[in-house]
Amino acid sequence: DTEVTQTPKHLVMGMTNKKSLKCEQHMGHRAMYWYKQKAKKPPELMFVYSYEKLSINESVPSRFSPECPNSSLLNLHLHALQPEDSALYLCASSQGVGGLDGYTFGSGTRLTVV
Amino acid sequence: DAKTTQPNSMESNEEEPVHLPCNHSTISGTDYIHWYRQLPSQGPEYVIHGLTSNVNNRMASLAIAEDRKSSTLILHRATLRDAAVYYCIQRPTGTASKLTFGTGTRLQVTL
Repeated sequence: DTEVTQTPKHLVMGMTNKKSLKCEQHMGHRAMYWYKQKAKKPPELMFVYSYEKLSINESVPSRFSPECPNSSLLNLHLHALQPEDSALYLCASSQGVGGLDGYTFGSGTRLTVV
Repeated sequence: DAKTTQPNSMESNEEEPVHLPCNHSTISGTDYIHWYRQLPSQGPEYVIHGLTSNVNNRMASLAIAEDRKSSTLILHRATLRDAAVYYCIQRPTGTASKLTFGTGTRLQVTL
């Protein structure tokens, strides 16, 4: 299995809702990442998990809450989002965090906040 | 964050080679050069990476200047499926290194 699987593919949520995005990989990768991508812009890093521990938070608002329950799973919990949070949310993984290997990205969850 | 400079867009004819340039004048000795591409409606896809020597794989070749301040991604025979945004990224090594995307080059491939 050489894929990163993200679910759901599309999500519409209200500003008072709580929802979660899920990311899964079975490549034995020990680093996992969340990125946010607005239309026609490059992906922006949100969080880095290394060996299931949060190692980088790029000053992301607390309405986004990441969780890494085990080495194969990464969740992003969403609460009280704003319409400007509508974007493509990408998950990625890599063997390590040392810059020596490539990332594998999922196809993303397209989130719309209404 | 480390900054790379790429042309906004390039065009190529199908089955011709494509050379995508990237400047990374602030690169340090331990920074790797990574290339990714993003096809429409998909997540980014790893293409190739290198440190000092030129690198080849099944997708592309990476030519790195001797001073490492620039590099060129070479697609040997462009196809319509290679139309994408290509990102050149200067990535530090280390336990908390980040992959930070710049604006990339949008490659159009025509018949």
